[in-house]
Amino acid sequence: GAGVSQSPSNKVTEKGKDVELRCDPISGHTALYWYRQSLGQGLEFLIYFQGNSAPDKSGLPSDRFSAERTGGSVSTLTIQRTQQEDSAVYLCASSFNSDQPQHFGDGTRLSIL
Amino acid sequence: AQSVTQLDSQVPVFEEAPVELRCNYSSSVSVYLFWYVQYPNQGLQLLLKYLSGSTLVKGINGFEAEFNKSQTSFHLRKPSVHISDTAEYFCAVKVLGDNDMRFGAGTRLTVKP
Repeated sequence: GAGVSQSPSNKVTEKGKDVELRCDPISGHTALYWYRQSLGQGLEFLIYFQGNSAPDKSGLPSDRFSAERTGGSVSTLTIQRTQQEDSAVYLCASSFNSDQPQHFGDGTRLSIL
Repeated sequence: AQSVTQLDSQVPVFEEAPVELRCNYSSSVSVYLFWYVQYPNQGLQLLLKYLSGSTLVKGINGFEAEFNKSQTSFHLRKPSVHISDTAEYFCAVKVLGDNDMRFGAGTRLTVKP
């Protein structure tokens, strides 16, 4: 079956612009996660959605970062007024529930000029 | 809060040699443990997981890991590596009931001919 799909695969933008990253999870997965992976680093948790519950936003690094999940399926991660330190690979993952292994998309490589 | 330490950032090894990638975690409560592999320009793929039961866990591609509660370790092993095993390997821990998963900084395994 289809895995987690992320788009775009690459995004280059100028400092100060807003960007929107999209994640389409595996059908039937109620849990959805966003992570940030900086060069040579592990994964940094950003935000977690579970069903219709309020999201866990505890990992968002600043108020420039926000995310939505519409209809319990597709999610968008928005970064406003991008900074160079936002350059990273943004990974999305989904799982059947929060205690099951996560399935990852291939990520969006974001480069801020 | 839990944390994950991968003791080796890089592990070079010759083809057909055995390998062990080390992972230690800190948590005072019950955890789930995972190993993921990341090939270039791809997301993370689950290798194996420990949820409960037998402490020796077998995963895909001939990898296995042993959960050692007293040493809070979950080292990954393979008796004979292939060139195709060259990748980044991430250890991860999840506390039961928590939303986020904590990842180690990764170990780059390079298999040489």
